Amino acid sequence: DAMVIQNPRYQVTQFGKPVTLSCSQTLNHNVMYWYQQKSSQAPKLLFHYYDKDFNNEADTPDNFQSRRPNTSFCFLDIRSPGLGDAAMYLCATSRTTEGNQPQHFGDGTRLSIL
Amino acid sequence: GQQLNQSPQSMFIQEGEDVSMNCTSSSIFNTWLWYKQEPGEGPVLLIALYKAGELTSNGRLTAQFGITRKDSFLNISASIPSDVGIYFCAGPYGGATNKLIFGTGTLLAVQP
Repeated sequence: DAMVIQNPRYQVTQFGKPVTLSCSQTLNHNVMYWYQQKSSQAPKLLFHYYDKDFNNEADTPDNFQSRRPNTSFCFLDIRSPGLGDAAMYLCATSRTTEGNQPQHFGDGTRLSIL
Repeated sequence: GQQLNQSPQSMFIQEGEDVSMNCTSSSIFNTWLWYKQEPGEGPVLLIALYKAGELTSNGRLTAQFGITRKDSFLNISASIPSDVGIYFCAGPYGGATNKLIFGTGTLLAVQP
């Protein structure tokens, strides 16, 4: 059974129209991550939550925001998507932020921008 | 910044062949992870390595944590068509955090 669930699997939005991607987990992990993966590239970390503490990567554009209303759910909000934001967005979880805690990934949401 | 370089970039092999790929870094890592990603899906953890010199197997897969802590190797024995995918190494960076940096990936294609 899927433990990190991302919805929808495919999302199409218009240039400049806000979009929200969602992630839920059944693992009860403390940490949730959002990665961006562009075509033929490796996943790149955008930000993560440790419980309610939000940690942004220095090079994540301001256009990207996140919310974590409870342990199970985390959302990625893109305020004004540009063509360059078309990518696969991956959610992952880990029990803690210690380096020996493997991250478990969802199947991603592929975002297209018209 | 830190970079993880994987080689080869891609491999096209016949079913039944053994496969070797590696991952190198200019920095030391205390954990090495190997993930496999199939088209349209998220990465799936294959093997986690936590100690220099460690050799760990998962079925036909074997991975090693390099002694220098700057490299890791993944071997697949007797490849089968479902081994197709992109293999990523990854390691935590940024001090006492679990933020992952991923390698450049190795694309594996297996011909039946």
